[in-house]
Amino acid sequence: GAGVSQSPSNKVTEKGKDVELRCDPISGHTALYWYRQSLGQGLEFLIYFQGNSAPDKSGLPSDRFSAERTGGSVSTLTIQRTQQEDSAVYLCASSSSSGRTDTQYFGPGTRLTVL
Amino acid sequence: KQEVTQIPAALSVPEGENLVLNCSFTDSAIYNLQWFRQDPGKGLTSLLLIQSSQREQTSGRLNASLDKSSGRSTLYIAASQPGDSATYLCAVANTPLVFGKGTRLSVIA
Repeated sequence: GAGVSQSPSNKVTEKGKDVELRCDPISGHTALYWYRQSLGQGLEFLIYFQGNSAPDKSGLPSDRFSAERTGGSVSTLTIQRTQQEDSAVYLCASSSSSGRTDTQYFGPGTRLTVL
Repeated sequence: KQEVTQIPAALSVPEGENLVLNCSFTDSAIYNLQWFRQDPGKGLTSLLLIQSSQREQTSGRLNASLDKSSGRSTLYIAASQPGDSATYLCAVANTPLVFGKGTRLSVIA
């Protein structure tokens, strides 16, 4: 079956512009996660959705970052007024259960470059 | 705050060797530990998940062990192949999932 998909695969933007990153989880997966992977760093948790609700937003680095999920499916991560330090690979994952301890299935990521 | 460390950061071995990747974590109150593989420019592929009550999991040539009390896990790869070349990531499930920085493995034919 189809895995997690993300779009775009690559995004180059100018400092100060807003960007939207999209994630389509595996059909039927209730949990959805966003992570960021910066050069030389590990994966950094950003936000977790259960259905359309986000019980854990603790990883969002600033109020320029926001995310939403609609219909318990597609999620969008929005970064406003992008900065060069936002350059990273943004990864989305989904899992089938309401617990946070089951296997997470990852998408291929969106590589964001802020000039 | 949970911290996950992976040693070594990079490893190069000849084809056919057995090898061990190490992962350590500072907070033993975890739900499970997961090993992932990441290929260049790709997302993560789950390899093994060990629940906190388990000691090890096996899948093919891979075997992962977990010692919660000492905060350690190892990933054993038997009879390595060039196709095993990738970055291997360890992640512990507290709230949220906390990742190590990975071990970059190169298997030379």
